[in-house]
Amino acid sequence: KAGVTQTPRYLIKTRGQQVTLSCSPISGHRSVSWYQQTPGQGLQFLFEYFSETQRNKGNFPGRFSGRQFSNSRSEMNVSTLELGDSALYLCASSLGGGLTENIQYFGAGTRLSVL
Amino acid sequence: AQKITQTQPGMFVQEKEAVTLDCTYDTSDPSYGLFWYKQPSSGEMIFLIYQGSYDQQNATEGRYSLNFQKARKSANLVISASQLGDSAMYFCAMREGGTGGFKTIFGAGTRLFVKA
Repeated sequence: KAGVTQTPRYLIKTRGQQVTLSCSPISGHRSVSWYQQTPGQGLQFLFEYFSETQRNKGNFPGRFSGRQFSNSRSEMNVSTLELGDSALYLCASSLGGGLTENIQYFGAGTRLSVL
Repeated sequence: AQKITQTQPGMFVQEKEAVTLDCTYDTSDPSYGLFWYKQPSSGEMIFLIYQGSYDQQNATEGRYSLNFQKARKSANLVISASQLGDSAMYFCAMREGGTGGFKTIFGAGTRLFVKA
C-alpha cells in the first residue's frame, strides 16, 4: 500500500507570491491534516479535513487555506507569502474515526523557502 | 488546554543499550491517545507506537515500548538495543477523543544520538 505522497518536495518562492501544496493520502484514509514545522515554533497544526469538510483549524491567518477533494486528496494554499512562511509543511492522513483510527501517517513533507 | 512536555532536548546513548525518552502531558479529557513519532534528517515523520488512555497494558512495538503512567500523566518511550539508525528527532504527541476531529498536539521533541 502506497504511503502519503506530498508534492512538490521542494519549493522556492518570493514574498507576495502564492503557493499550492498537494497531498495524496493513503488509500482508504478519509482524514488529512496539515502541519507547519519550523525550528522556532516546532510542529504546529494548520487544519484537518475529513470527507471534504474542514473539521478543525489551528491558529493561522486566513492566508492559509486548504481543501479536500472527493478522492480525499488535499491541497493547501498560502497566499501573499511572507518570509516567516518558510518551513517544512507536513501532511498526515488517517482513517479518521475513533482514537485508534486516528493514527496519523505522514508524508515526506514539502520544504518551502520564501525569499 | 492540551500540553505536551519533552524535557530532554538531546540525549546520547551507546549502541546496543536501552534509552528512555521522557514525555509528560496535560489534559482533562478522560479519553485521549498518545503517540510517538520518529523524524530522521530526511524530514518524514514515522509513526512508532500508540497508547490509548483506557489501555490497561503498556504498548509495545518491536524494540519500542511505551511506559504509560496515567496517574503521573507520563508516556515515556523506551527504545531497547539502540541502533545507529535510531539517531533522529523523537516527538511525543497527544490527541483527545470526541465525535469530531481534534487536532494532535506535538511536544518540542528530543534529539537522540546513538554512539558506535
